[in-house]
Amino acid sequence: SQQGEEDPQALSIQEGENATMNCSYKTSINNLQWYRQNSGRGLVHLILIRSNEREKHSGRLRVTLDTSKKSSSLLITASRAADTASYFCVKETSGSRLTFGEGTQLTVNP
Amino acid sequence: GAVVSQHPSWVICKSGTSVKIECRSLDFQATTMFWYRQFPKQSLMLMATSNEGSKATYEQGVEKDKFLINHASLTLSTLTVTSAHPEDSSFYICSARSLINQPQHFGDGTRLSIL
Repeated sequence: SQQGEEDPQALSIQEGENATMNCSYKTSINNLQWYRQNSGRGLVHLILIRSNEREKHSGRLRVTLDTSKKSSSLLITASRAADTASYFCVKETSGSRLTFGEGTQLTVNP
Repeated sequence: GAVVSQHPSWVICKSGTSVKIECRSLDFQATTMFWYRQFPKQSLMLMATSNEGSKATYEQGVEKDKFLINHASLTLSTLTVTSAHPEDSSFYICSARSLINQPQHFGDGTRLSIL
């Protein structure tokens, strides 16, 4: 069964705006990863944040992790139409097991 | 780097046919490969985990005799859907990882349609 929730389920913004997606989880994690998926395609790894890290940046992406609240957020700054995709929060727990959230469908309108 | 190739990308076949899907890590050695299934507008569901040279570990509810997994080398894993039926139609995605605590790298998926 899937663990945790992602919100929002869908997000529609204008190009240039920032997009924030949130994810929560229930059990302890080794790390948390964010992936994107274009429709009908495989997943592209965006960023991995370990359980002892609080914030990580990669280009226009900023990920935070709050282990006390068991939550993470992904911020995409200065969004582009090409950022339109589904974004998944993926929790890695003991035994290297990955658990996927339900995903956030982001639409960036030109 | 870290490219995973999945083949074929799309299969349409008749009910009762067996279908083999290949997953290759092109520029790294994948000690562990994973097979997922995804229904439309839903998240990925892990089907099985395979370590090179070992039998795959299947998730609860996944029939091992229905979904045969072979991981004979550090760069290739195959998933065979045996005697496929329309309910097996889905999007199947593989991923590969070199080391624990490293990200998984995903193939582009295979869309399987059983008529």
